[in-house]
Amino acid sequence: NAGVTQTPKFRILKIGQSMTLQCAQDMNHNYMYWYRQDPGMGLKLIYYSVGAGITDKGEVPNGYNVSRSTTEYFPLRLELAAPSQTSVYFCASSKGPGQTGNTIYFGEGSWLTVV
Amino acid sequence: AQTVTQSQPEMSVQEAETVTLSCTYDTSESDYYLFWYKQPPSRQMILVIRQEAYKQQNATENRFSVNFQKAAKSFSLKISDSQLGDAAMYFCAFMGAGSYQLTFGKGTKLSVIP
Repeated sequence: NAGVTQTPKFRILKIGQSMTLQCAQDMNHNYMYWYRQDPGMGLKLIYYSVGAGITDKGEVPNGYNVSRSTTEYFPLRLELAAPSQTSVYFCASSKGPGQTGNTIYFGEGSWLTVV
Repeated sequence: AQTVTQSQPEMSVQEAETVTLSCTYDTSESDYYLFWYKQPPSRQMILVIRQEAYKQQNATENRFSVNFQKAAKSFSLKISDSQLGDAAMYFCAFMGAGSYQLTFGKGTKLSVIP
């Protein structure tokens, strides 16, 4: 009963480095999301996907890229890390609009610090 | 656009007592979902309870229950028999039935006093 699994849980990056946050879900959900949460703030949507091969920007997409080659996986790529990207990142998934019982389920979060 | 308002930035409750967290929302939609998520210090986002707007019956999950007042656009969370592990930030969230996106309130930080 894994749900949404994301790795790594903690990472320290140097300015200018790149990395990929991995995310997988085993609920056969069509929709997947990446959010970030800055200290003391709510969640902001970075990117989302409505199905394999389809992605779209959310509220704060700059500095990030995503891909969705399969239903299960939705990695988030950080290019040229900046201190402003220090945050907690959440992957999430849901059945999607109009689906009975549609609910967004979150992974455990990935703490990223850029120094 | 929808808005979600949590008017209590912080609340505290004695262990074993009951506490109610407030949430109001504004929307022009008639079909939607409302959620309460718990975020402990580990920062994990945990779904506590979910309410479908077309259901008049208030949702209940063990010690957690909601008071959903659709006309008043109010969605409060009641925690009974509070436990130390209930200490966390609680977020109220809205999602239109035809939407993919959650709208969050700013959260209420709940402390549980032993």
